[in-house]
Amino acid sequence: DADVTQTPRNRITKTGKRIMLECSQTKGHDRMYWYRQDPGLGLRLIYYSFDVKDINKGEISDGYSVSRQAQAKFSLSLESAIPNQTALYFCATSDPDRDYEQYFGPGTRLTVT
Amino acid sequence: EDQVTQSPEALRLQEGESSSLNCSYTVSGLRGLFWYRQDPGKGPEFLFTLYSAGEEKEKERLKATLTKKESFLHITAPKPEDSATYLCAVRDAGGTSYGKLTFGQGTILTVHP
Repeated sequence: DADVTQTPRNRITKTGKRIMLECSQTKGHDRMYWYRQDPGLGLRLIYYSFDVKDINKGEISDGYSVSRQAQAKFSLSLESAIPNQTALYFCATSDPDRDYEQYFGPGTRLTVT
Repeated sequence: EDQVTQSPEALRLQEGESSSLNCSYTVSGLRGLFWYRQDPGKGPEFLFTLYSAGEEKEKERLKATLTKKESFLHITAPKPEDSATYLCAVRDAGGTSYGKLTFGQGTILTVHP
């Protein structure tokens, strides 16, 4: 089984809808991250969490919220989806001592129409 | 603001044809440069860490090098299975406890048999 799983893998939703992307990991890592990837722009950090009680905004957090339900689970929500949130979303985890070595999930392709 | 620029955007090689990918960066103080590989439909996978100018790391047909302004990923005698997108990322020496990774947009490598 994969160390980092994301659900759903693909999602099409309409403008204004609330949606949640879920991430689970079996690495036992404390640190978890949400990124979005857009063609030509690379990966950009949305939110990151050092542990269940420590959640921090990344460089593009506007329009997003997160919830760290447990060490192994980190969810990303779009409260009111808009078309420019169409992107590939990745969850990642890392060990605190090697937080540059991040383990990524397979991604969720989100389309907002 | 940290900046990472990768070139070329896409590179097509014949099997066995060696070449290099470039990653140019601007950071206030480098606290590591990292290479990742991303296969289609998957999340990025960590390859190398480089910390100081002159440092080199090797893995199979890949060798990463670092100068004060750029990094190169040399691919020697590539095989079709080396086809992927290669991402470069840097971490600056900022004062936060988490050194945010800034990713480049990636180079899409295609190796033809």
